[in-house]
Amino acid sequence: NAGVTQTPKFQVLKTGQSMTLQCAQDMNHNSMYWYRQDPGMGLRLIYYSASEGTTDKGEVPNGYNVSRLNKREFSLRLESAAPSQTSVYFCASRLEQGRYSGNTIYFGEGSWLTVV
Amino acid sequence: EDQVTQSPEALRLQEGESSSLNCSYTVSGLRGLFWYRQDPGKGPEFLFTLYSAGEEKEKERLKATLTKKESFLHITAPKPEDSATYLCAVQAYYTDKLIFGTGTRLQVFP
Repeated sequence: NAGVTQTPKFQVLKTGQSMTLQCAQDMNHNSMYWYRQDPGMGLRLIYYSASEGTTDKGEVPNGYNVSRLNKREFSLRLESAAPSQTSVYFCASRLEQGRYSGNTIYFGEGSWLTVV
Repeated sequence: EDQVTQSPEALRLQEGESSSLNCSYTVSGLRGLFWYRQDPGKGPEFLFTLYSAGEEKEKERLKATLTKKESFLHITAPKPEDSATYLCAVQAYYTDKLIFGTGTRLQVFP
């Protein structure tokens, strides 16, 4: 019963380095999301994917790219990391089944990223 | 613009002292309002979804209610294990996205 799995859990990067955060869900969900959480800012949406093969920008997409590799996996890439991208990143997924069911969004445990 | 505001930012309660957390929202057609609990170092854990004004849901010591402008999370006789940050989020009809508030950090002391 894994749910949403993120890797790595912790990462330290130097400014300008690149890295990819991996996310996989085993619930056969259609929609997947990447959020970042900063003190006093709440959870902010970076990118989301409503279905396999589609991606859309959220509130704070600059500096990030995403890939919906298949229905299970949704990765987030930092091409050239900046100190402003130091944050906790959460992947999430949801099964859309209509008005009154299947709308719950489930989160992973988070990835702590520090850019120095 | 869709927006969620939670209050208070922080709340300290004595064990057994009931209280309420507020989530005020503006959204162009509410599809759903969600409550989550988040423990330090963990991802948000789903609590409730509310869909229409007047709806109420309960789980142990927690009860969530919804009006056309706000939602309340009532905590009855809280225990120290209820200490966490409680997050509120809304989804509009026209989007797949959830908009989150900044949360209320609840501390319950024995």
